[in-house]
Amino acid sequence: AQSVSQHNHHVILSEAASLELGCNYSYGGTVNLFWYVQYPGQHLQLLLKYFSGDPLVKGIKGFEAEFIKSKFSFNLRKPSVQWSDTAEYFCAVTVNTGGFKTIFGAGTRLFVKA
Amino acid sequence: DVKVTQSSRYLVKRTGEKVFLECVQDMDHENMFWYRQDPGLGLRLIYFSYDVKMKEKGDIPEGYSVSREKKERFSLILESASTNQTSMYLCASSSSGTEEAFFGQGTRLTVV
Repeated sequence: AQSVSQHNHHVILSEAASLELGCNYSYGGTVNLFWYVQYPGQHLQLLLKYFSGDPLVKGIKGFEAEFIKSKFSFNLRKPSVQWSDTAEYFCAVTVNTGGFKTIFGAGTRLFVKA
Repeated sequence: DVKVTQSSRYLVKRTGEKVFLECVQDMDHENMFWYRQDPGLGLRLIYFSYDVKMKEKGDIPEGYSVSREKKERFSLILESASTNQTSMYLCASSSSGTEEAFFGQGTRLTVV
């Protein structure tokens, strides 16, 4: 069965620290990859996405992610986090199993200390 | 802006009740989805729909059904609510199976 694994459930960083959130998926076919973010009290929203082309994708608010096909990974990075990045981050993968289905990871709660 | 609206932010229902969660999107999207979100489990797909009157089971359909009579509206039905269905329910829509999904604010359902 297809699955998405996020390596950390909770991450605590100080402001200006660098961030990397791991995401691995299990599916051998073509995928579309997403990172979504959910700020406290708000709805889920798209951070960035990868469909094809340059495997290094830039998103909003200084986030980027790199697709490494050989490792089935799509890790999220940010060089310097801010207090306002405190949120829950979800990696998601869309696969085609006779119909398109999007599978989400368990999420990573990021807390940034001011 | 795409808008996905869920009819209730909070609901409290009794065990055994039939519960309806409503979702409306205003962007003429073909696809609509219902997820439940639980701590440590992420979002799990309950049902999805690619067209009016069409529905497909997701990963955890047991105890749920759906209805899509109009393109903009997708309803989730708990036939007989149970305490293990206490959760946050998220509705989403997308223009195609591979495009990003737009989410509603969620309905926090408590079954007592």
